[in-house]
Amino acid sequence: NAGVTQTPKFRILKIGQSMTLQCTQDMNHNYMYWYRQDPGMGLKLIYYSVGAGITDKGEVPNGYNVSRSTTEDFPLRLELAAPSQTSVYFCGARQGGDTIYFGEGSWLTVV
Amino acid sequence: AQSVTQLGSHVSVSEGALVLLRCNYSSSVPPYLFWYVQYPNQGLQLLLKYTSAATLVKGINGFEAEFKKSETSFHLTKPSAHMSDAAEYFCAVSDQGNDMRFGAGTRLTVKP
Repeated sequence: NAGVTQTPKFRILKIGQSMTLQCTQDMNHNYMYWYRQDPGMGLKLIYYSVGAGITDKGEVPNGYNVSRSTTEDFPLRLELAAPSQTSVYFCGARQGGDTIYFGEGSWLTVV
Repeated sequence: AQSVTQLGSHVSVSEGALVLLRCNYSSSVPPYLFWYVQYPNQGLQLLLKYTSAATLVKGINGFEAEFKKSETSFHLTKPSAHMSDAAEYFCAVSDQGNDMRFGAGTRLTVKP
């Protein structure tokens, strides 16, 4: 059982480029999340989804977009990469009030 | 929206000493509360959770936490620290709804 799978694990982007971080879960959980983690700041919620076709902004949505066409997939899109988006990104899945199960993270550097 | 505050970005204890990591929450409704641990270059692993059952919650690796509504606190403790406990610890709160908010984290160092 893979749980939550994120790809790529590492990526270097140039300023202004775009890319998509992929997230897939095989637990059939309704809720999915994207967080970013910066040193000393904890995890900040970017976007979340309570089910296919429904997404909502979190604390720091600017510069990102998401879609949720299926229960399994929740990709995060960066349209115009900026150095401020250099971070570690974590995707997670959750069922009801239970814990969030996280992927292993994606390290993104924008230069 | 709900929030958590973790008091102390760094905590250092000696091996065998008590570990106490502090977390205070803010929520307009009875919250669900969580503690996660993160080892270097890894993802987050659930230590324990409170979801309105017993107020004293026991988790993995000998950790426990007590929900105190009057103090809006959910502090994490372990009676005797081990070298392998060195990691970063995150408290998180959910308002039983959709999202979950995390604290800034506390880095625990264990001295031999």
